[in-house]
Amino acid sequence: EAGVAQSPRYKIIEKRQSVAFWCNPISGHATLYWYQQILGQGPKLLIQFQNNGVVDDSQLPKDRFSAERLKGVDSTLKIQPAKLEDSAVYLCASSKGWGQIPGGSGNTIYFGEGSWLTVV
Amino acid sequence: LAKTTQPISMDSYEGQEVNITCSHNNIATNDYITWYQQFPSQGPRFIIQGYKTKVTNEVASLFIPADRKSSTLSLPRVSLSDTAVYYCLVGAGSYIPTFGRGTSLIVHP
Repeated sequence: EAGVAQSPRYKIIEKRQSVAFWCNPISGHATLYWYQQILGQGPKLLIQFQNNGVVDDSQLPKDRFSAERLKGVDSTLKIQPAKLEDSAVYLCASSKGWGQIPGGSGNTIYFGEGSWLTVV
Repeated sequence: LAKTTQPISMDSYEGQEVNITCSHNNIATNDYITWYQQFPSQGPRFIIQGYKTKVTNEVASLFIPADRKSSTLSLPRVSLSDTAVYYCLVGAGSYIPTFGRGTSLIVHP
C-alpha cells in the first residue's frame, strides 16, 4: 500500500515570496491533515479536511496560509507571503476517518515524509 | 482536551528494555492512546495504539492501567536504530490528538 506522498521534499525561498506544497493521501483515506513542525517541537495541526470540507482550521494563519482539497483527494497548502518564522517541516497526514468508532479502534493517522521549508 | 506529559529525554544502551511513561490524567472515556516514533528528517510513524490493559505488536508493548491515567510504551532490547523521538497522543474522539514535545530517546552502543 502506497503511503502519503508529498512534494517538494525541500524548498528554499526568500521572505515575502510564495510557496506551495502538494500532498496525496493514502488511497481511500477520507481525512487529510496538514501539520507544521518547527525544529525541536512536536507537530502542530494547521488544518484538517474530511473529504473536501474543512473540519478544523483554527490554527491556520489565514492571512498568509491557505489550503484546499477540491476533489476530496489530494491537497495543496500555500504560503503567501512567507515569513522567516515559517521555516519548518510541513507534514501531510491522512486517516480512514475521523472521530470515535464505538467499540472500535481510533483512527490511526499516517504521515508523509514532510516538505522542508527554509525562508531566508 | 487531554494533555499528555512525557519525559523530555531518556538514555539507554543497546540490548536493554526501555520504558517510556506518559501521563494523561484527564483522558476521556472515548479516547485511545497512540504512540508515534519520529526519526530525523522523517514524518512520525505509528507504533502502537491501545485503549486499556496491554497491547503487543512486533515492535513494542503498551501497558495501560485500569484508571487509564497513564500509559507505558515498552521497547524490548533496543538497538541504535531505535534512537528517535517518541510521542504519546491521546484522542481519536471528537477532537484531533495533539502532539507534545515528545521523548527523545538516545540509545548508546
